[in-house]
Amino acid sequence: ETGVTQSPTHLIKTRGQQVTLRCSSQSGHNTVSWYQQALGQGPQFIFQYYREEENGRGNFPPRFSGLQFPNYSSELNVNALELDDSALYLCASSGTSVGELFFGEGSRLTVL
Amino acid sequence: KQEVTQIPAALSVPEGENLVLNCSFTDSAIYNLQWFRQDPGKGLTSLLLIQSSQREQTSGRLNASLDKSSGRSTLYIAASQPGDSATYLCAPSSGGSNYKLTFGKGTLLTVNP
Repeated sequence: ETGVTQSPTHLIKTRGQQVTLRCSSQSGHNTVSWYQQALGQGPQFIFQYYREEENGRGNFPPRFSGLQFPNYSSELNVNALELDDSALYLCASSGTSVGELFFGEGSRLTVL
Repeated sequence: KQEVTQIPAALSVPEGENLVLNCSFTDSAIYNLQWFRQDPGKGLTSLLLIQSSQREQTSGRLNASLDKSSGRSTLYIAASQPGDSATYLCAPSSGGSNYKLTFGKGTLLTVNP
């Protein structure tokens, strides 16, 4: 039990729609990262938030955006959904200088 | 750009066997390296974290080693059990952040009773 919770667990959208995924980080963790995992692939880094500021971004277009709230929970927003956005979206939190990340169970997004 | 390769892609062994999973990475300027386990359709469970200054870490039947200069890490699983069946992923952190992980595609391990 890592304490990182994500919602929803599964959702289906159609191309062109927008989606918001949510993550509650482990208590005391002030850094949240988001990853996209396509079927059969390893997770890919989307971006990271530290104390409500974006603190690093992977190779994802601007239609992928995020927020971190004062309680360190986070949202991932994806606009203008494309078929290739179908994937498992993973949230990870960390609150120590050691750098160990703890992942949630993910949100499975299907875009039709 | 960091690239991570894991060999083998899949491995099937009988219960009780000792086994080694291999991970190589192209950029040796890493902060640390984590090994994860992923069950089908699930999130990632952290197994071991090795800091860049360390050579190995152990947890129960698991031992991970790190040779930063050669860009290699191995995960050794002793006395494998059917419950160890899962995909194993290695992920070095680099790119200016000790939280930005680059993943390989993983090794799918099946332990047969």
